[in-house]
Amino acid sequence: DIQMTQSPSSLSASLGDRVTITCRASQDIGNYLTWFQQKPGKSPRRMIYGATNLEDGVPSRFSGSRSGSDYSLTISSLESEDVADYHCLQSIQYPLTFGSGTKLEIK
Amino acid sequence: EVQLVESGGGLVQPGASLKLSCVASGFTFSDYWMSWVRQTPGKTMEWIGDIKYDGSYTNYAPSLKNRFTISRDNAKSTLYLQMSNVRSEDTATYYCTSIGAYWGQGTLVTVSS
Repeated sequence: DIQMTQSPSSLSASLGDRVTITCRASQDIGNYLTWFQQKPGKSPRRMIYGATNLEDGVPSRFSGSRSGSDYSLTISSLESEDVADYHCLQSIQYPLTFGSGTKLEIK
Repeated sequence: EVQLVESGGGLVQPGASLKLSCVASGFTFSDYWMSWVRQTPGKTMEWIGDIKYDGSYTNYAPSLKNRFTISRDNAKSTLYLQMSNVRSEDTATYYCTSIGAYWGQGTLVTVSS
């Protein structure tokens, strides 16, 4: 199975900060990487697909990038509504595997 | 409006069987591969498996394939998850999803005596 190592597990940042969450893949996954946001009590919402593509309706402060086997989700300027859990998912190989999640809070 | 509505969760005893359903609307259900994903109380997400749009092929997480079965009825726009011999570690919220933009609200399964 492909392991997705997500870091950090939790993150506290101030409003307006630049925030980055990373997933490292144990094998080549190309760009088959999706980022989900999950607000408390809600279902996951796809934010980024294909590693770098922004889902329709997602604010432009969100972006996805890749450097080798490291995939990052960046929020350029943190807003209060961004408080959520974030999950990455690889979908190049079965079984599909998620990262362990990142809890993002406001400092 | 796209909707995926799961049902069938609840409190179940260890060793029992349970069948979850997910009714889809607002999109052409029969065009999509569909998955079940679960989320533990600790918030860890786990992919359970998926089924081809016509129901002819399934894939499963290796640790679950002997106990869980995914099926669908495209005439009813419904996805199913048959769970057997459930264990305490199966306690989770179960989501049906296209693994893309479409997710249900989830149904909670609690395995406890």
